[in-house]
Amino acid sequence: ETGVTQTPRHLVMGMTNKKSLKCEQHLGHNAMYWYKQSAKKPLELMFVYNFKEQTENNSVPSRFSPECPNSSHLFLHLHTLQPEDSALYLCASSQGSVGDLLAKNIQYFGAGTRLSVL
Amino acid sequence: SQQGEEDPQALSIQEGENATMNCSYKTSINNLQWYRQNSGRGLVHLILIRSNEREKHSGRLRVTLDTSKKSSSLLITASRAADTASYFCATDASLIQGAQKLVFGQGTRLTINP
Repeated sequence: ETGVTQTPRHLVMGMTNKKSLKCEQHLGHNAMYWYKQSAKKPLELMFVYNFKEQTENNSVPSRFSPECPNSSHLFLHLHTLQPEDSALYLCASSQGSVGDLLAKNIQYFGAGTRLSVL
Repeated sequence: SQQGEEDPQALSIQEGENATMNCSYKTSINNLQWYRQNSGRGLVHLILIRSNEREKHSGRLRVTLDTSKKSSSLLITASRAADTASYFCATDASLIQGAQKLVFGQGTRLTINP
């Protein structure tokens, strides 16, 4: 148990569906991240939030829409996805601006949501 | 561009043997981390080494860093079946208003055979 919980663990959706991925961290961190992990590709950073403010959008298509209502919760809203969007979506958190320099570097990951787009 | 690249991509050894994985990166760093990922799960932080450190130990893990060669290695001694996982190096790319951006390599898939 890393203190970062993602739901659902598995999701199958059609290309016309709308769904949301949820991430919750119980570590008191201020920074949260969404990553995409596809087969045989490096982990891709999608979005970064620090103190609820989006600080990075790594050229992610608009069919992915993040939301961070507070420092403990992060959502990824999905709509009109493509089959190539099928992947493991990982959420992570870190101390952000608070904490010593090294602690800020360490990220804590959830178990991920395995997404299949049909 | 990809920062960290692990080598080998896959490694299979017998239980009890040592496993060595390598990581190369392209730009200067402040620190380098290693993470482990069990199949279909999230990544777990293993160890962080600063750019001014050359070697660091944590239990059965030994990490070395050579900033002149822009490379790092992770050694797992006396391997166990439970060490079967993918191992990733991550370098600090930039600080985004306090949130650390990490760049991960493609990983080494380690299999420990009983």
